[in-house]
Order: sequence, then C-alpha cells, then structure tokens
Amino acid sequence: DGGITQSPKYLFRKEGQNVTLSCEQNLNHDAMYWYRQDPGQGLRLIYYSQIVNDFQKGDIAEGYSVSREKKESFPLTVTSAQKNPTAFYLCASRMGGLGNQPQHFGDGTRLSIL
Amino acid sequence: AQSVTQPDIHITVSEGASLELRCNYSYGATPYLFWYVQSPGQGLQLLLKYFSGDTLVQGIKGFEAEFKRSQSSFNLRKPSVHWSDAAEYFCAVGRPSGGGADGLTFGKGTHLIIQP
Repeated sequence: DGGITQSPKYLFRKEGQNVTLSCEQNLNHDAMYWYRQDPGQGLRLIYYSQIVNDFQKGDIAEGYSVSREKKESFPLTVTSAQKNPTAFYLCASRMGGLGNQPQHFGDGTRLSIL
Repeated sequence: AQSVTQPDIHITVSEGASLELRCNYSYGATPYLFWYVQSPGQGLQLLLKYFSGDTLVQGIKGFEAEFKRSQSSFNLRKPSVHWSDAAEYFCAVGRPSGGGADGLTFGKGTHLIIQP
C-alpha cells in the first residue's frame, strides 16, 4: 500500500544532541512538508520541499534543518539550537501543482527531552 | 498573513445528535480549504476539501462542509454523530504563495467528545 512512513514513532534526545527524524513516501509525490504539533496549538510549518534538491523555510524553521536528496525522502534534523524540541512531528506529502491537491500525513514522531 | 480560527476548543455532543464545527479564515482570494481529523497519537486524515464550484462539499464518514464567502467560514457538519467520531478536528487553508502549494495554515483544532 502507498503511504508515508515516519520513524521512529518515539524518540528521546539528551540536551545538546542533534537528532534526525525520518520520513519516507512511496506515493510518487513531488512535495513534502514537516509540521510541528504542540498541545492546543494546531500544526505549524517547519520546512517544505516542492522538488528534489530544493527546500524552503516555513514559519518556525529556527533550530531545524532538512535535506531532499531523493524524491521519496525528506529527513528532518532537530539541532541543539532548538531550545524547546519536545513536540509531535508530522510529515506530509502531496502531488505537485496548485494547492487544491491535499496533503497526506504520516503517523508522526513524538520527540521528548531526557 | 492568512489565519484560521476555530472558536471552539472543546465540543461535547450526544451520540446520534447533529454536529457543527466552526471555522473562519482570513484570506485575500478564494482559498483552498480543508478539514482533517486526528485520532490520539496518529497522523491527520483528510475529511474533505474545497477549492471551487459547489459551496457544499461532501466528504468521508458522512461529513459535509459549506463554504460561505460572505462570512469567511467553512463549517463542518454531520447529521448524526457516532462514538467513533470522537477525535480532534482541524480546519486548514492553503498558503497563498506558490498557488497554495507552500504548505497549510491550520487552526488550533476542536476536540470532539461524544456522550453515550
């Protein structure tokens, strides 16, 4: 079945560490997105990529980095510069073109600080 | 900048009763509008979308939504809720840059509780 796979489901980070969250899709979608979800805050856009080897900052990109070397993959690194990384992280993808094509979401990764 | 407001943080409805979840947006042009549902610890599932045409759109699981340009609203409705509808519901609008392709702006969500 086609879909979006996020791993791991739970992730723990020590202070000062970088961690990388994986997002893989086999939907042949051109665009991919990362969102952060905090309780009572909805989802906020971190980074997005509409084509391979290109990505753009969203609303809360500070302390995060991404790469898009393959169409299927869009990993997110939470760096030590992100002072409040504890959150639920959601990856999404969509077909290219205008925004009437909906985003499809993975099941998320919950990141916690030890 | 565009924004999405979901005025109700929590809503409690009896099983079998009707439901309406409110969503208001601010946007300069005709927006791309979406409703998503999220079960605890899970990702988001698309319920329905609107981008043009008939202002009453049908979605999955018996949900519908009506786009009202004059009120900048896109309210979600269901005539009779089931216990399995208990979840978090998010309204979202496509960001205006990139023709709506540059990600979504979400409301803060409405938590739906179903009473037996």
